[in-house]
Amino acid sequence: GAVVSQHPSWVICKSGTSVKIECRSLDFQATTMFWYRQFPKQSLMLMATSNEGSKATYEQGVEKDKFLINHASLTLSTLTVTSAHPEDSSFYICSAGEYGTEAFFGQGTRLTVV
Amino acid sequence: DAKTTQPNSMESNEEEPVHLPCNHSTISGTDYIHWYRQLPSQGPEYVIHGLTSNVNNRMASLAIAEDRKSSTLILHRATLRDAAVYYCILSRFNAGGTSYGKLTFGQGTILTVHP
Repeated sequence: GAVVSQHPSWVICKSGTSVKIECRSLDFQATTMFWYRQFPKQSLMLMATSNEGSKATYEQGVEKDKFLINHASLTLSTLTVTSAHPEDSSFYICSAGEYGTEAFFGQGTRLTVV
Repeated sequence: DAKTTQPNSMESNEEEPVHLPCNHSTISGTDYIHWYRQLPSQGPEYVIHGLTSNVNNRMASLAIAEDRKSSTLILHRATLRDAAVYYCILSRFNAGGTSYGKLTFGQGTILTVHP
């Protein structure tokens, strides 16, 4: 089946720095990808929809200047957490799907801001 | 999106069947019933989906009530690896496919499997 890969699996960064997370569709082209965030013992919350070649669509309450999304190719979307703070520590997950198939999720990236 | 209701947690013994219920009384005619599961520290993975008829695949079975207001995910023989959070999600297929993958997750059911 289709595979979505995220990198890195985990990252620790200092407060005030930026972190980039990559999401790749390995064997299919994804014009649309989705980014979720999951805090401990909570469910996944959709952050934004990443559209290839155009601006991302952010969910209400998500700061677009803080969570920069770039979808420059049909197989790669990146999420950059800018000026990270401890409250941004979370599990970030991307997903993509082909027409007529289920959604495929990356393995997730655990971000810890110290 | 129509809402689903699931028990917070369920327990099972290894190699026994597990029936995970989901209520979706406000489901619309075009909503598909999807089940995903999330193992600890991993992204969710697809389990099964259906519209009106019961469905079977290598992982599980999905039993859908005749009025479609509820469904049950059936794991025929639970293993320790099946311990996960199971999410029942309603979603409409988009003809263009671009919205597929945009899912609204509820709290899900935490399944514990005892050896």
